[in-house]
Amino acid sequence: DIVMTQTPSSQAVSAGEKVTMSCKSSQSLLYSENKKNYLAWYQQKPGQSPKLLISWASTRESGVPDRFIGSGSGTDFTLTISSVQAEDLAVYYCEQYYDTPFTFGSGTKLEIK
Amino acid sequence: QVQLKESGPGLVQPSQTLSLTCTVSGFSLTSNSVHWVRQPPGKGLEWVGAIWSGGSTDYNSALKSRLSISRDTSKSQVFLKMNSLQTEDTAIYFCTRSEFGVRLDYWGQGVMVTVSS
Repeated sequence: DIVMTQTPSSQAVSAGEKVTMSCKSSQSLLYSENKKNYLAWYQQKPGQSPKLLISWASTRESGVPDRFIGSGSGTDFTLTISSVQAEDLAVYYCEQYYDTPFTFGSGTKLEIK
Repeated sequence: QVQLKESGPGLVQPSQTLSLTCTVSGFSLTSNSVHWVRQPPGKGLEWVGAIWSGGSTDYNSALKSRLSISRDTSKSQVFLKMNSLQTEDTAIYFCTRSEFGVRLDYWGQGVMVTVSS
């Protein structure tokens, strides 16, 4: 199984600050035939279902604010929130869909100071 | 619009079998896959398994021996059955859609399942 490792486990920032979080996979998620990284980011707010933010490592879903930026390739990925807002309080998970079983990282909890 | 809704018993006794139903609308089960993801209280997300558009299935390695996922395309329903339940299976169970078998783009609200006597 592909192991997904997220760091940090939690982070506290003030509104307006930039935040980055990391996701590393135990094997490459880059599919050579189409040059796509099979990596998604999800946001889960308290008491809610997860919401897909970014797929293919860097493609924002429709309606997701442009302050959410996904980057990286291969085994190293990053989610950046360029200017954190109060409503971004949530846990963020990365997930690989390169191979079954799909696997999630353990999450990064974002707290607002 | 795309919707998924989980249903099932809130309480299951240890060693018994869990049966959950995911009723979908707004898309076809023969063109999309449906996955189950669970989340123990206060913990992270765990992929449980999936039924693909062609009807084949894949399961979490640790749960494979206890798990079965099936569907009824005429009723737009996907079923999860897990036997020999233990307290560690207490979790919110979500069903979620995957278009083209990739990222999970729509999620149900989840159903809380407690394993307790």
